[in-house]
Amino acid sequence: GDSVTQMEGPVTLSEEAFLTINCTYTATGYPSLFWYVQYPGEGLQLLLKATKADDKGSNKGFEATYRKETTSFHLEKGSVQVSDSAVYFCAQLDSNYQLIWGAGTKLIIKP
Amino acid sequence: GAGVSQSPSNKVTEKGKDVELRCDPISGHTALYWYRQSLGQGLEFLIYFQGNSAPDKSGLPSDRFSAERTGGSVSTLTIQRTQQEDSAVYLCASSFRDRGGGTQYFGPGTRLTVL
Repeated sequence: GDSVTQMEGPVTLSEEAFLTINCTYTATGYPSLFWYVQYPGEGLQLLLKATKADDKGSNKGFEATYRKETTSFHLEKGSVQVSDSAVYFCAQLDSNYQLIWGAGTKLIIKP
Repeated sequence: GAGVSQSPSNKVTEKGKDVELRCDPISGHTALYWYRQSLGQGLEFLIYFQGNSAPDKSGLPSDRFSAERTGGSVSTLTIQRTQQEDSAVYLCASSFRDRGGGTQYFGPGTRLTVL
């Protein structure tokens, strides 16, 4: 069945480091892909999305490119800040318009 | 409203009591979802409403859980005879389903604590 796998956390980085959080998916077609973020004590927010192959989603300095060849949607940011500390969830939209979620990756940024 | 709202924001109850959690979706959104998030865990799908179709209840963990959506808008999630393992944050989301790329917009959640 369809699934999403993302790297286990926590991921701990120093401020201004480069960030990559890996996400891969399995699906029968080409689903829309999403990254959601959950800041401490807050609800889930859409960070970025891509709806077709080779699309790049971007927001707040974060980027992710829809790679159908590697079935991946890795999240990247060139220079992280303490305020980026949060839990990041990768997800795909299945044919029933339901989101299939990864387990989440906790990101900790140290000053 | 401007976003998805949920009430109450926090609920503390005693084991065995019934609780009702409310979700007000974004106006015009046809799809509404309930999820559960236990401490430090990912999202667990509970139930999905789409328009006037029969809801997808495949994620409900037991028959103590039920949900309804009145008039295609507000939804109530009911947990009967609560157990300690029901303690979690219950999240509601809504979307246009097949517009906007299926993006789901989340409410702030209801934190349920069963003593």
